[in-house]
Amino acid sequence: GNSVTQMEGPVTLSEEAFLTINCTYTATGYPSLFWYVQYPGEGLQLLLKATKADDKGSNKGFEATYRKETTSFHLEKGSVQVSDSAVYFCALWGSNYKLTFGKGTLLTVNP
Amino acid sequence: DAGVIQSPRHEVTEMGQEVTLRCKPISGHDYLFWYRQTMMRGLELLIYFNNNVPIDDSGMPEDRFSAKMPNASFSTLKIQPSEPRDSAVYFCASSLGVRGREAFFGQGTRLTVV
Repeated sequence: GNSVTQMEGPVTLSEEAFLTINCTYTATGYPSLFWYVQYPGEGLQLLLKATKADDKGSNKGFEATYRKETTSFHLEKGSVQVSDSAVYFCALWGSNYKLTFGKGTLLTVNP
Repeated sequence: DAGVIQSPRHEVTEMGQEVTLRCKPISGHDYLFWYRQTMMRGLELLIYFNNNVPIDDSGMPEDRFSAKMPNASFSTLKIQPSEPRDSAVYFCASSLGVRGREAFFGQGTRLTVV
């Protein structure tokens, strides 16, 4: 079946530091890939997505590139802010019509 | 649109009681998903519907869990009888289509079974 593996947290950074959260996947066919963000006490919100190989999703300074050769979709941001503190989930939508999530990575950004 | 609406936001119940969680999807969306979130297991897909019809319920943990979608604007997830290990945050999400489409999540129901 489909699966998503993302780096274990928590990740703690200082403001303006560079962020990378690794995500790799296993899926048949050509899945769509997503990053969702969850702020405390809230539901998940879509951060960015990519629907085919070599696509780059971007939003609010975050970026991720769909790499089929390495089955990866790593999330990056050049300069994090305190307001980016949240849990980040990598996800894929596969041919079985299921949206499968990784376990999430807690990011804390200190001023 | 108000987004996906779930109720209640918090539920505390005693072991053995019946619990019903409710969800109103975004109008016009044809897919509805129920997820359970725990620290140990992360986000698990329990069941999903397409046009009010259950398509895949392989994630429903036991027969104590059941879900219905009587119409396009309402779904329920019922646990009967509830057990302490059912304590989790339950999310409902809806989407228009699948694959490359965005799934919109409700704010969740935090269930505590004591």
